[in-house]
Parts: sequence; C-alpha cells; structure tokens
Amino acid sequence: AQSVSQHNHHVILSEAASLELGCNYSYGGTVNLFWYVQYPGQHLQLLLKYFSGDPLVKGIKGFEAEFIKSKFSFNLRKPSVQWSDTAEYFCAVNAMGYQKVTFGTGTKLQVIP
Amino acid sequence: NAGVTQTPKFQVLKTGQSMTLQCAQDMNHEYMSWYRQDPGMGLRLIHYSVGAGITDQGEVPNGYNVSRSTTEDFPLRLLSAAPSQTSVYFCASSGHMNTEAFFGQGTRLTVV
Repeated sequence: AQSVSQHNHHVILSEAASLELGCNYSYGGTVNLFWYVQYPGQHLQLLLKYFSGDPLVKGIKGFEAEFIKSKFSFNLRKPSVQWSDTAEYFCAVNAMGYQKVTFGTGTKLQVIP
Repeated sequence: NAGVTQTPKFQVLKTGQSMTLQCAQDMNHEYMSWYRQDPGMGLRLIHYSVGAGITDQGEVPNGYNVSRSTTEDFPLRLLSAAPSQTSVYFCASSGHMNTEAFFGQGTRLTVV
C-alpha cells in the first residue's frame, strides 16, 4: 500500500531563511507526487506536482521540489521564505494502479518577520 | 468560477443525528473524494468515486455513506453522528486521481 511520511511537524523560520520540508513515500513502483499548501482558514491548493521527466519540479511562489527515486523522497524547498508562506504543507502520493491519493500528516510552517 | 462547492460551512450536530454534507463541482471531473482533516493526522480519505455510479471506501469509511448519481454531485452522509466525527471535511475533485485535485472550502462539523 502507498503511504507518505512527513517528519517535520512544525517548523519555525525567520524571513529570508531557506526552507526544506521532508517527504518520503513507500511504494516501489511508479508514483505521482504532489505538494499542497493550506493557508490559515483556507482550503488546500496545489503548489507543484511530479508525474515524470525532470526530477526537479518548479511550482508557484518560488517553491521547488526534487524527486529522488533511490531515496523515495520528494522534498520541498524554497531559497528564501516570506511571512506570507506561513501555512501548512502537505505531501501526497498516488501510486500507479491505486485509485487513491494519500496525504501526509502535514508540516506547519511559521515564518517570523 | 465556482469550482468545488461545499455546503454547509459550519454545522453542529447532536450525537445520533444524521445529516448530509453537500459537494458539487462544475468542472466535469470524473474523480471525487471526501477527506477529513484532524490535527496531527493530515487528511484521511473517507470515500471516493471514479465516476457516476461508482464509489469505494477510503481509509476511514465507517459511519459515512456516499453516492454518486451524477458527475457533478458527491454528497457525504453521516448516518448517526458521534463525537469522534467532529472534524473538518473537505471534498475534492480532479480529472483523474493522478492529476491536480481541487478542494472545496471545507465544512467544520462539531458533534456534541
């Protein structure tokens, strides 16, 4: 079965600091990977997605993620965070052949001005 | 642009009551799903549908029913509400399960 782990539950950064949020999945075959963001009081929105091709994926608002198949990882990065990036971030996976999308438990990011 | 519309936004139920959370999408998406969001547990899949007339269980289906009579609508029914069902519920739709999901605004349900 597919599963997703996000090891950082709560991250606090100062503005302009660099961000890396970890995401690991467990499935040996082909996967589709997503990062979603949930701003306070809002619904989830897609940040970026990986289906195939270039393992370095660029998303909205300066976010990027790198798919490393050998490590079963899809970490989210941003070189310089802003206060407006304060939100909860969810990694999600859909394994080929599974009719479900599984979400991680989320990472709450707090950016201090 | 309506996207995914959920109603109601807030609801308080007494234990044992039943209710239906409504979800409608206007993007002609085949895939629809219901999640519940609880602190520290992320989003957990309750039920999903890959098309009209087809539904299946997710991770936490107990206490919930769904139906999909049309492509647009995917209501979630709580049969007999329990305090453990206090949560925020999100409906989502996508063209396929491996494409971007569009989420509704959520329903905050409290069962007392």
